[in-house]
Amino acid sequence: ELKVEQNPLFLSMQEGKNYTIYCNYSTTSDRLYWYRQDPGKSLESLFVLLSNGAVKQEGRLMASLDTKARLSTLHITAAVHDLSATYFCAVDGTTSGAGSYQLTFGKGTKLSVIP
Amino acid sequence: GAVVSQHPSRVICKSGTSVKIECRSLDFQATTMFWYRQFPKQSLMLMATSNEGSKATYEQGVEKDKFLINHASLTLSTLTVTSAHPEDSSFYICSVQTFSSYGYTFGSGTRLTVV
Repeated sequence: ELKVEQNPLFLSMQEGKNYTIYCNYSTTSDRLYWYRQDPGKSLESLFVLLSNGAVKQEGRLMASLDTKARLSTLHITAAVHDLSATYFCAVDGTTSGAGSYQLTFGKGTKLSVIP
Repeated sequence: GAVVSQHPSRVICKSGTSVKIECRSLDFQATTMFWYRQFPKQSLMLMATSNEGSKATYEQGVEKDKFLINHASLTLSTLTVTSAHPEDSSFYICSVQTFSSYGYTFGSGTRLTVV
């Protein structure tokens, strides 16, 4: 069974600080996704990581993927209030050996950036 | 990228009635669509994979007779919640995989409240 563990689940940080969210997964997969969700809204795609060593950056967010360690990180640099949201990682894989590919989500990290 | 339209965005229905949610892929022919459910403060859980022209594949624990999925064309999948009860109140989200970029595009979600 594919498991995706995300931590921390809650993160309160001051503006200007840096922090990292971690995403571990239990099976081999070369596709990992990061999404942002604002309250009452659907998911907004942030990053698609397709290979080992992939690093992508957009503004104050940077995501990386280590497929050997089955670990992805989402690093926040100099946080601002507008980054407050829930962040999900998701892994593309089969939950059973012969099944079709589907996304399995982590539990999400609720980020609150305090002015 | 793909554009996915989901309707309605919000619906309130009486217990025992049925509600239909539509998911349209506006610029992409989707042979497969995914339906998720998200309870408050929780992650997304895959309910079923909708396959054009064939029966949907349901995840373990999801009642096929209660959550009817129809994927009659390459651009439209519908989820009908039959005989809705208050415990079915949730946020329902559809998604489409865009193979060109390995990404997934999500609909805007439907907030269902059963009273």
